[in-house]
Amino acid sequence: DSGVTQTPKHLITATGQRVTLRCSPRSGDLSVYWYQQSLDQGLQFLIQYYNGEERAKGNILERFSAQQFPDLHSELNLSSLELGDSALYFCASSVAPTGMNTEAFFGQGTRLTVV
Amino acid sequence: DAKTTQPTSMDCAEGRAANLPCNHSTISGNEYVYWYRQIHSQGPQYIIHGLKNNETNEMASLIITEDRKSSTLILPHATLRDTAVYYCIVRPMNYGGATNKLIFGTGTLLAVQP
Repeated sequence: DSGVTQTPKHLITATGQRVTLRCSPRSGDLSVYWYQQSLDQGLQFLIQYYNGEERAKGNILERFSAQQFPDLHSELNLSSLELGDSALYFCASSVAPTGMNTEAFFGQGTRLTVV
Repeated sequence: DAKTTQPTSMDCAEGRAANLPCNHSTISGNEYVYWYRQIHSQGPQYIIHGLKNNETNEMASLIITEDRKSSTLILPHATLRDTAVYYCIVRPMNYGGATNKLIFGTGTLLAVQP
């Protein structure tokens, strides 16, 4: 158990819909990362937050957005869903966004299926 | 973009040492080598990291060549539960910089055979 909690574990929704994925980081971790893993793309970095502020952005679509709340949990919002958005979405957390020994710990992911 | 090269797949007999190579010939002085693994559809799991010295923990050993252009992850006694995709990642440690996000490549699928 990494200490990172993601909910829900599974999500099935229809095209065009909007969903919210939730992540609770490990106790004491201030930085949260979101990744998408689909069969043909591997693990793709989406976005990173640190203490409530966006820190880095990767291959995140405009239809997707994220935020980190004062209690440090984070939410990833996916809207206007397409079949190609079906994937595993992972959240990770670390103590800090930079510096030494800031290994990231991953949650067990949310499997999103768009039908 | 990933800055490492790994074999696509490897086999290892149960109980034997698994040696997973990684090439990172363009690594710079402020970059660490990290290893993660992902057991089927689970979240990636941190294994070990190092800068230039060899490192060992309860899971594995990391051997980094003197020129730091390649490294080897060693699982000393592989078990069936070690079957996973192993990712070698070069990660900058930018003091005062923006981020040290992990960029995953395609990794090595290690299949431990009974």
